[in-house]
Amino acid sequence: DAGVIQSPRHEVTEMGQEVTLRCKPISGHDYLFWYRQTMMRGLELLIYFNNNVPIDDSGMPEDRFSAKMPNASFSTLKIQPSEPRDSAVYFCASSPNPGHRDTEAFFGQGTRLTVV
Amino acid sequence: DQQVKQNSPSLSVQEGRISILNCDYTNSMFDYFLWYKKYPAEGPTFLISISSIKDKNEDGRFTVFLNKSAKHLSLHIVPSQPGDSAVYFCAANTQGGSEKLVFGKGTKLTVNP
Repeated sequence: DAGVIQSPRHEVTEMGQEVTLRCKPISGHDYLFWYRQTMMRGLELLIYFNNNVPIDDSGMPEDRFSAKMPNASFSTLKIQPSEPRDSAVYFCASSPNPGHRDTEAFFGQGTRLTVV
Repeated sequence: DQQVKQNSPSLSVQEGRISILNCDYTNSMFDYFLWYKKYPAEGPTFLISISSIKDKNEDGRFTVFLNKSAKHLSLHIVPSQPGDSAVYFCAANTQGGSEKLVFGKGTKLTVNP
């Protein structure tokens, strides 16, 4: 398996524009996570899905952020409208069963978002 | 409120010496702990984990120690190698409970040749 695939790797956009980040999890993994990394807050969990269903979106910072998982092999994180403070590295991760021993989340390479 | 804390943003050690990275947690419900390593421009990768039923887990040069009473864990790397230079994240969750992995802010380790 190629691992978790994220696109684009880098995104530069102007304030107010819509941004869509994409993720393809590892086949067979039931859980998908979206994280945001910043210097100030480290790795923050934004939302996670189980079997394509959003389970916990309490980490989503504002209504400007939304995430979908239309099928087991694809998820999007959308920011509309984007703001400079959204600039960060966004990671997608997937896991077969993260709540149990000897399982862990596998991360994609991340999308570095810059909002100017 | 940071439930998982890595109070040292950076650590520098000489090649061949021991690296000790520390992590504290506040949530007593956490019972499974993981360390991830992250190189620049890459995603974090799993390194080693420990369950709360143990106080030590070893994998090659990497050992994680858990002190439940102090709510503290540490990662020891012996001997340290230049290729170990990376950001190390501590993470925790509750087995059989929430699937959330809560991460610390990370410690940047630099191993000097």
